[in-house]
Amino acid sequence: ETGVTQTPRHLVMGMTNKKSLKCEQHLGHNAMYWYKQSAKKPLELMFVYSLEERVENNSVPSRFSPECPNSSHLFLHLHTLQPEDSALYLCASSQLGPSGETQYFGPGTRLLVL
Amino acid sequence: GENVEQHPSTLSVQEGDSAVIKCTYSDSASNYFPWYKQELGKRPQLIIDIRSNVGEKKDQRIAVTLNKTAKHFSLHITETQPEDSAVYFCAAEADSWGKLQFGAGTQVVVTP
Repeated sequence: ETGVTQTPRHLVMGMTNKKSLKCEQHLGHNAMYWYKQSAKKPLELMFVYSLEERVENNSVPSRFSPECPNSSHLFLHLHTLQPEDSALYLCASSQLGPSGETQYFGPGTRLLVL
Repeated sequence: GENVEQHPSTLSVQEGDSAVIKCTYSDSASNYFPWYKQELGKRPQLIIDIRSNVGEKKDQRIAVTLNKTAKHFSLHITETQPEDSAVYFCAAEADSWGKLQFGAGTQVVVTP
């Protein structure tokens, strides 16, 4: 349960605010991911970082800005969000190998944009 | 890219009965298929996974089957218990970089 941690767990922000979500993994993994989970929708992959380099950006609006300073930490910087951005934001990590590998999720940050 | 469809979206079963969730995928190159369980207010957690060189895998009351030819895989839960109530997500390896494409989820409710 403590392999991947996220802070804050809950966040309420106005549309003009700037905030950051933090994720930390203690599993020695080399890849980290940001997902958005909205009600009644599949998990949506937002960003993928491998060895601290962004390798995927799934057409995410520029109001979401990721940062990966090292292999253990991942941030999601938020600014001028919209109410439809309210969701659960999940971080995950994995150890990339020759084939697919298990992703381990953090507890998520429940975001409400007013 | 990979597309994963999951059925049913909700499943209500009596305690002790079996539950089956089915998923189909589109990319024949996918080789890894995990299943996650997400209880209310909690993170998704891996419960079982299967790779393409195996047709079936079992872990106590849960089992997963894979049919690569038909591109579908299924989760089977036997002797269901109230604590099995949760949302279950299937996923398939998508492209590279460990990416997973998730199904939309199945809400399982086990009634005593």
